[in-house]
Amino acid sequence: SQQGEEDPQALSIQEGENATMNCSYKTSINNLQWYRQNSGRGLVHLILIRSNEREKHSGRLRVTLDTSKKSSSLLITASRAADTASYFCATLLTGANSKLTFGKGITLSVRP
Amino acid sequence: EAQVTQNPRYLITVTGKKLTVTCSQNMNHEYMSWYRQDPGLGLRQIYYSMNVEVTDKGDVPEGYKVSRKEKRNFPLILESPSPNQTSLYFCASSRPIGTGSYEQYFGPGTRLTVT
Repeated sequence: SQQGEEDPQALSIQEGENATMNCSYKTSINNLQWYRQNSGRGLVHLILIRSNEREKHSGRLRVTLDTSKKSSSLLITASRAADTASYFCATLLTGANSKLTFGKGITLSVRP
Repeated sequence: EAQVTQNPRYLITVTGKKLTVTCSQNMNHEYMSWYRQDPGLGLRQIYYSMNVEVTDKGDVPEGYKVSRKEKRNFPLILESPSPNQTSLYFCASSRPIGTGSYEQYFGPGTRLTVT
């Protein structure tokens, strides 16, 4: 079964609304990262949160991590049509020699 | 400009005809890897390399080979491609950003179709 599983699988919102995406994982991690992928293109790193951190911000992005529940959330505030993309969480397992394990992704559509 | 490049970007080939997808990075990263992305399955790691001449299998290595003769290049080789290797392939290199933490830089992808 997948180490990182995102929820929901797809999300459609209106421009200006907030988008919340969740990721759950199964085993102990060193850190958790969120990536964005525009259609047919490579993934772009958005933000990283370490296992000893609970919340991080970067511009309109806010990431939380709850290691007791083995879950993370990515919040995009004041969404824009340009935020339309797929979003992936990736976990670096403890002692995994920098190997990231990706989830299947969330498709976010922001309607203008 | 720091980047990961892949070639070709698109390739249509026939079963059994050997092919190589090249990957090059200009960031002097030690760690590089290859992924394939398929609908409903997300990204799965094929092979990775911790440094020159050091490679290891990822989650789905069957039917693939890699080599790492120089730090900047990490080609993916399909000796005898089959239709189930039709996929979108990504090369990535990793930058260390703290103890045990890495950020991956992805190439633009290679869309491979094997008929």
